Amino acid sequence: GAVVSQHPSWVICKSGTSVKIECRSLDFQATTMFWYRQFPKQSLMLMATSNEGSKATYEQGVEKDKFLINHASLTLSTLTVTSAHPEDSSFYICSASLVASYSNQPQHFGDGTRLSIL
Amino acid sequence: DAKTTQPTSMDCAEGRAANLPCNHSTISGNEYVYWYRQIHSQGPQYIIHGLKNNETNEMASLIITEDRKSSTLILPHATLRDTAVYYCIVRVVDPSGSARQLTFGSGTQLTVLP
Repeated sequence: GAVVSQHPSWVICKSGTSVKIECRSLDFQATTMFWYRQFPKQSLMLMATSNEGSKATYEQGVEKDKFLINHASLTLSTLTVTSAHPEDSSFYICSASLVASYSNQPQHFGDGTRLSIL
Repeated sequence: DAKTTQPTSMDCAEGRAANLPCNHSTISGNEYVYWYRQIHSQGPQYIIHGLKNNETNEMASLIITEDRKSSTLILPHATLRDTAVYYCIVRVVDPSGSARQLTFGSGTQLTVLP
């Protein structure tokens, strides 16, 4: 149980295009999903917190107009990298937690999306 | 959330137990200890978590010291597939029940040797 699916797993596109990444909780509902970014040889860094039915909360230094997050249902959150440039090339990972009254529930992660901007 | 300290890297012989330490000396009473691992080019995989009691599941055991200032993740019989970066993360329990993000440190690169 507690499977998080992320799509696509790998994408290459030209500079200036927009890329949408989907994160789905397959067998549970998640009111909150998280988006992380990981550069080579570095650890995961939180980009934003996605809440179903409301605006996402972005970490300091993350441009909300560049990284658009939509969380329209309890099982789907999307991250759109708008007007992508080579410096946006990274490994993007989402996570989700079960909706539960026990806040110690672990988060479960997708397998990530490797984005390469040419 | 409290900060954690882990060794940068460790080696373990295949078939032997891998013991990964984590120091979290500033942990507070409402913070849980979580362990995740990340195999190269994949998303982090949840392993185990605990508050103050030792925990065991099909993947590993978690030993938390009585003062809760450190913990050890034990993989009882390491295999080559256990080679990964292991993250020890401390996270506060939110009384409202809402989910909270995880703050990842540098982790420990465990290499299981044949």
